[in-house]
Amino acid sequence: SAVISQKPSRDICQRGTSLTIQCQVDSQVTMMFWYRQQPGQSLTLIATANQGSEATYESGFVIDKFPISRPNLTFSTLTVSNMSPEDSSIYLCSAQGSTDTQYFGPGTRLTVL
Amino acid sequence: EDQVTQSPEALRLQEGESSSLNCSYTVSGLRGLFWYRQDPGKGPEFLFTLYSAGEEKEKERLKATLTKKESFLHITAPKPEDSATYLCAVPLNDYKLSFGAGTTVTVRA
Repeated sequence: SAVISQKPSRDICQRGTSLTIQCQVDSQVTMMFWYRQQPGQSLTLIATANQGSEATYESGFVIDKFPISRPNLTFSTLTVSNMSPEDSSIYLCSAQGSTDTQYFGPGTRLTVL
Repeated sequence: EDQVTQSPEALRLQEGESSSLNCSYTVSGLRGLFWYRQDPGKGPEFLFTLYSAGEEKEKERLKATLTKKESFLHITAPKPEDSATYLCAVPLNDYKLSFGAGTTVTVRA
């Protein structure tokens, strides 16, 4: 299994600002993903973070709003840009290695005022 | 359309009162079904993967089973520490998971 850490664990931000969330995996993994979990809801995939190339975004999510980087096989960042209160959510990083199981980080709880 | 449905939405149990959670799916060509546990304010914790009808997996008081249309998560003699939201998910392709809405289990001492 993979051990995943995220920073920050939580933040309170002002409308119109941006926040970058970091995700670190303790081993090299093939796939890394970013999810959003809105209050009381299940998980929604934002994008797949591709190493060395642009991320693959799901319907309803765009690069200008959620730019993603993945410089190597153990690290990725998600930026939430030009935030509004509707972006208040938990953002989760996950990783999938040689097996088909995705392991999740502890999440980043974002509140936008 | 591919869909994952969990029931019930919430389950309140007395300590020691066994029960089952249901996850039904309409994905064609199932590539596996995953169960996760999520505690409040934390990320999902992987529990089980099931691949074929008739398969069963166990971990402590939890047992997951799979049929061609649904999966059950049985909780035997639950304890308060089993209180959590239980999520099931199926892959829509090699990596994209479709999650159910979850069942929130509360076990009272």
